[in-house]
Amino acid sequence: DAKTTQPTSMDCAEGRAANLPCNHSTISGNEYVYWYRQIHSQGPQYIIHGLKNNETNEMASLIITEDRKSSTLILPHATLRDTAVYYCIAPNFGNEKLTFGTGTRLTIIP
Amino acid sequence: AAGVIQSPRHLIKEKRETATLKCYPIPRHDTVYWYQQGPGQDPQFLISFYEKMQSDKGSIPDRFSAQQFSDYHSELNMSSLELGDSALYFCASSFSGTGTMSKYFGPGTRLTVL
Repeated sequence: DAKTTQPTSMDCAEGRAANLPCNHSTISGNEYVYWYRQIHSQGPQYIIHGLKNNETNEMASLIITEDRKSSTLILPHATLRDTAVYYCIAPNFGNEKLTFGTGTRLTIIP
Repeated sequence: AAGVIQSPRHLIKEKRETATLKCYPIPRHDTVYWYQQGPGQDPQFLISFYEKMQSDKGSIPDRFSAQQFSDYHSELNMSSLELGDSALYFCASSFSGTGTMSKYFGPGTRLTVL
């Protein structure tokens, strides 16, 4: 898998946009970027994925730089329930399993 | 919508005992993955099955075995349990036909070995 680098922790005020960065400078052209999160002791939850274009769904937006070396997950209006560890994963093409790195521990502040 | 079901949710065993964890994937999902998450650690991939065949293997101890059945549910069998096996065990499922790696995780089984 492409190596990903994320900040260890971040805080965000409730109601504000949370922007979580991820560097994946070794990513190959056909490797997607996936974001998952894990709320304390719950099963990881799929959020969003993308290849080249920016993506948006009901949970979040994913902004991928043109050179694909980094991406940003955006939670537009963070709530307390968004407090979780967020994982950015770039699996090798054809590799079906997910390899979880350290992730970013996001804390939403009331 | 139906989610991944895992049973039991909690399990307490003694050292050297055996344990069986069960996973029922989302209907129509043909691929199952098992993960182990120790205290304060990130989930670690153990093993996966596609169409009842083992498709990938991670850091699964030889004391553990798993299989996927004809109804696509999967069981993780753990023998000669050790204190270090105490962890959360997650099962995830996906449908190969989507062509993506969007996986859906169950709530986990918390195994405590005393």
